[in-house]
Amino acid sequence: DAGITQSPRHKVTETGTPVTLRCHQTENHRYMYWYRQDPGHGLRLIHYSYGVKDTDKGEVSDGYSVSRSKTEDFLLTLESATSSQTSVYFCAISEGSGGMYGYTFGSGTRLTVV
Amino acid sequence: GQNIDQPTEMTATEGAIVQINCTYQTSGFNGLFWYQQHAGEAPTFLSYNVLDGLEEKGRFSSFLSRSKGYSYLLLKELQMKDSASYLCATRGRGSGNTGKLIFGQGTTLQVKP
Repeated sequence: DAGITQSPRHKVTETGTPVTLRCHQTENHRYMYWYRQDPGHGLRLIHYSYGVKDTDKGEVSDGYSVSRSKTEDFLLTLESATSSQTSVYFCAISEGSGGMYGYTFGSGTRLTVV
Repeated sequence: GQNIDQPTEMTATEGAIVQINCTYQTSGFNGLFWYQQHAGEAPTFLSYNVLDGLEEKGRFSSFLSRSKGYSYLLLKELQMKDSASYLCATRGRGSGNTGKLIFGQGTTLQVKP
């Protein structure tokens, strides 16, 4: 479809364990983003990337790290999962940084931390 | 910073017209987007406005007034499948070359027969 996939789609993990979510794109887009979506908060930006090895923090980055070693993959890691990180995580890609270049979203990862 | 406000919920009748409002405050402005999100699915792009005025695309239209920090999404001839959340998002000039969007909380629209 849009050339963006997230894995896993669902995950249950225990508090204190590390977790890595993967976003993979086949569109060769430069810009990639990780958001979390929670009731009452909408989509909030965790981290984003504007090129290979170029990443920066979003508004809710505490407890998360990212890596982008190649154009097609953007990894989100929860260093030590907490119950407050139970959420739906969306990856998005964009061809450009301005104008009408909006996002194409992945299908999301539903993460439950118990 | 950026702040976006939308109503949390709205209800409308099949076949009717509904207007979903969005107000925003941003340090600079570089475009406003509307996305549709069905329950359990990813958001999908609906519209983009950067200049004042109305953009029409089939049953959906989006309006922007930059001086008022205001946009609305107009849905005509409502269908049951239009039941979804509608997300307003802005891109500020402070985004530089990052392209990042800031989203409102979304408006959940329920269409009733």
